[in-house]
Formats: sequence, structure tokens, C-alpha cells
Amino acid sequence: AQSVTQLGSHVSVSEGALVLLRCNYSSSVPPYLFWYVQYPNQGLQLLLKYTSAATLVKGINGFEAEFKKSETSFHLTKPSAHMSDAAEYFCAVLLRGAGRRALTFGSGTRLQVQP
Amino acid sequence: DTAVSQTPKYLVTQMGNDKSIKCEQNLGHDTMYWYKQDSKKFLKIMFSYNNKELIINETVPNRFSPKSPDKAHLNLHINSLELGDSAVYFCASSQGRERETQYFGPGTRLLVL
Repeated sequence: AQSVTQLGSHVSVSEGALVLLRCNYSSSVPPYLFWYVQYPNQGLQLLLKYTSAATLVKGINGFEAEFKKSETSFHLTKPSAHMSDAAEYFCAVLLRGAGRRALTFGSGTRLQVQP
Repeated sequence: DTAVSQTPKYLVTQMGNDKSIKCEQNLGHDTMYWYKQDSKKFLKIMFSYNNKELIINETVPNRFSPKSPDKAHLNLHINSLELGDSAVYFCASSQGRERETQYFGPGTRLLVL
């Protein structure tokens, strides 16, 4: 079975500071991993995904994540936070097998960006 | 040029009522999903259809019944609404192999009074 743990339900950074959102996964098969962002009262938008190609994945809005199998981690980073990055971020692992393709989400991390 | 759309966006209703949420995607995808986001922002899969065939049916009360009239539409009907059904319901779609991205709709915010 697959699961995702996001450490820290709230993260606050200053504008221009490094953003680091943590995600650890558990999977009995090689995982496909995703980061989605949800702005207030909106749907989920894909930031980036790992599907067993390069372990360092670059996404939209300057975000990137590195898949580390030894640490079972897929942490999301951005070198310099912008006010517009304030949102809820979700890490997800794809539940696979027998044609099933549902995402299992972490509990989310709310990112606050202070001026 | 909306990719995944849902109607209505907001739904306020009384306990015991029956309501439906509609979802349409214009991406030509073959798989559609319903996810539920609770008040703590936790997201969980409810149903998934592939080419109009139900392939995922998680532990959801049988008051919830999905219907897929064609590949572009997946509707969710809820009977005898309860307070605990209050949540945001997201529709999503994807195409082809399992690694493909799921695209989400804007959500339907359901409040049961």
C-alpha cells in the first residue's frame, strides 16, 4: 500500500527566503510522485511530477523536487519565495495496480510568505 | 477553454435532500475521478471511471452514486444528504498510462445544513 506524509502543516517564510516543503512516501512498488498547489477557493494545479526519469524534477513557478529513494523523500523547494506562492501544497503518490490510477494525498502544508 | 468544469460551484442544502454535481472534461481523457476534500483539507479518492466503466469504488456510503453517461462526463448523485457530507468535491481526469497527470476541476463546495 502507498502512503504520503507531509511534515509540517504550516510553514512560514519571508519573501525571498528558501522554501522547503517536506514529503515522505511509503510504497511497495516504484512510486510515481506529484506535488499539487491549491490557491484559496480554487482547484488543484500540478506543480511537478516524478515518473522514474530524472530524480531532480523541475516544475512551474520556479519549484523543483528531488526524488531520493534511500530517504523515501520527495521534498519541494524553491530558492526564493514570492508573495504569490502563499497557498496549500499537497504531495501525492499514485496508487497503482490492476488499472487503478488514484492519487493518495498527504495532509497538505500551508505556506505563508511574510513580506 | 476550460479543461475540467464542475457545476454547481457552491451548493447549500438541507439534510435529507438529494443533490447532483456534474463534471465535464474537454481534454479527450479516458479516465475521470471524484475526490472529496474534508474540512481539514484532506483529499481522498471516492470513485474512478475508465471509458465509462467503474474501476475504483472506495469505502463510500452507497448514498453516493456516480454516473458516467459518456467519457467526457462524470456526475455524482448524493441521496439523503447528511451533515458529514459537507466538503469540497473535486472532479479530475487523466489520459492513457498511469503516469499521466490528473487535471482537477475547480471544486464544488457542498454545505449541508
